Amino acid sequence: DTAVSQTPKYLVTQMGNDKSIKCEQNLGHDTMYWYKQDSKKFLKIMFSYNNKELIINETVPNRFSPKSPDKAHLNLHINSLELGDSAVYFCASSRDEGSPLHFGNGTRLTVT
Amino acid sequence: AQSVSQHNHHVILSEAASLELGCNYSYGGTVNLFWYVQYPGQHLQLLLKYFSGDPLVKGIKGFEAEFIKSKFSFNLRKPSVQWSDTAEYFCAVNEADSSASKIIFGSGTRLSIRP
Repeated sequence: DTAVSQTPKYLVTQMGNDKSIKCEQNLGHDTMYWYKQDSKKFLKIMFSYNNKELIINETVPNRFSPKSPDKAHLNLHINSLELGDSAVYFCASSRDEGSPLHFGNGTRLTVT
Repeated sequence: AQSVSQHNHHVILSEAASLELGCNYSYGGTVNLFWYVQYPGQHLQLLLKYFSGDPLVKGIKGFEAEFIKSKFSFNLRKPSVQWSDTAEYFCAVNEADSSASKIIFGSGTRLSIRP
C-alpha cells in the first residue's frame, strides 16, 4: 500500500488555467506538507498542516491555496498558473512536526 | 532563521571509493538532523536521522553521518560506494526546540558513480 499518494503524477497545462493536485496519506500522521522542487532540485517548503490546521505558510503567492478536508488529505489548488510554477510538487507527511518526512512520488507540473 | 548548506553540488566517484558529503547548518539551538536520498525519477527517502544521543548515526545501505555540534556539521559518509548510490542527496534540519518548526532542506548534492 502506498503510504503517501498524490495525483496526478504529471500535469501539463496552459498559462492562466486553474489546477489541483491531491494528496492522501494512510500512515495516521498528524502533519502534512507541500514542498516545491525546482529544476535545480532545490526543495522548498510551501505549507504545512497539523490536524487540518495551517501551521506554516511560506512566502507563496496567494494563487496557491491548500485545503485539508481531514488530517489524511492535503490538496493544493493553483489559480492562474504561470510559467514559473513549473516544478515538481511533493506532498509529505510526518507523525508530528520535526519527525522524519514521508514523501509522495511527486507531481511534475509543466505550464506552457 | 535556520539555513542548511551543502557545498558540494556535484560529486563524481568511482565504485568502491569512499564518500563524504558535507552539510552545515546555521541554527544555534537544539536541532534534529536528517539525510534524504532521491534516486533518479523517484521521491525522497529517509537515509538516516539524528535526534539525540550518539552523534554517530548509522542509516540504511551502509551510510552513516556524524553530528559535530561545535562545527554545526552533519556530514554523510560511506566507506565504499556502489553504482546504485547514484542519486541526489539532501541534508535537512529542524529546530527541535521551536514550535511550528519546519524541516529545511539544503540545496542537494548530486552523486554520480562511475561503474
